[in-house]
Amino acid sequence: DQQVKQNSPSLSVQEGRISILNCDYTNSMFDYFLWYKKYPAEGPTFLISISSIKDKNEDGRFTVFLNKSAKHLSLHIVPSQPGDSAVYFCAASATGGGNKLTFGTGTQLKVEL
Amino acid sequence: SQTIHQWPATLVQPVGSPLSLECTVEGTSNPNLYWYRQAAGRGLQLLFYSVGIGQISSEVPQNLSASRPQDRQFILSSKKLLLSDSGFYLCASYRPGTASTFGSGTRLTVV
Repeated sequence: DQQVKQNSPSLSVQEGRISILNCDYTNSMFDYFLWYKKYPAEGPTFLISISSIKDKNEDGRFTVFLNKSAKHLSLHIVPSQPGDSAVYFCAASATGGGNKLTFGTGTQLKVEL
Repeated sequence: SQTIHQWPATLVQPVGSPLSLECTVEGTSNPNLYWYRQAAGRGLQLLFYSVGIGQISSEVPQNLSASRPQDRQFILSSKKLLLSDSGFYLCASYRPGTASTFGSGTRLTVV
C-alpha cells in the first residue's frame, strides 16, 4: 500500500522555466510533509517542508503548496536551473510517529539548457 | 548541524554471507536513528528506527537486524544475505526542530 505517491517518474523542463513536481498521499494522519533532493549514489538532502497548518511555504526558488482536502502537495521550482536536475522525493510523517518518514517513489527532474 | 557517516560506500557480497553496515552521527546527541532502503526503481522504505541505546523497532519483516550499542552509532546486520537484500541503504538522524539528515548511503549488491 503506497501511502505517498509520485505518479510522474520523470519530468523535463527548460532552464529558466517553472518545474512542478506533484505528490499525493492517502493517510489522513500525515501532518508534516517534506521534499528531498537526491543525486545518484548520494543520500537525500532536505529541501523544504510544510506543516499541515499551512498551505504554502517558500524558500528562495522553492515553494511547496499543500491542499489538505485533496491530499495533494506540489513543489514549484522557479526559475529552474541545470543544477536542479536530480531525483526529488516527497515524504510525509505523522505527529507522535517518531518522525518516521514515508516516501514516494521519486520524480527524476531534468533541466535542459 | 548533524553529520552522518556511513561505510562502506559500496559492497558486493555473496548470497549467504554476513553483513554489517555502520552508521555514526556527529553534531548531536540523543537523536532518533533510522535505516532506510531504496530498492531499484522504488522509493525509500523504512527498515528500522531507534529512539535510544538498545531500543530498536522493526518496520518490516525481513532478513536484517539492527542494533544501537552507543547513542550515536547504528548498525545494520544480517547473518545470511539474500539476493533480495540488494539495494541502497541509508542511515538517517532526527532531532526535534530539524528535518531528518541522511548519510551518503551504502550500495549493497548481493551476488
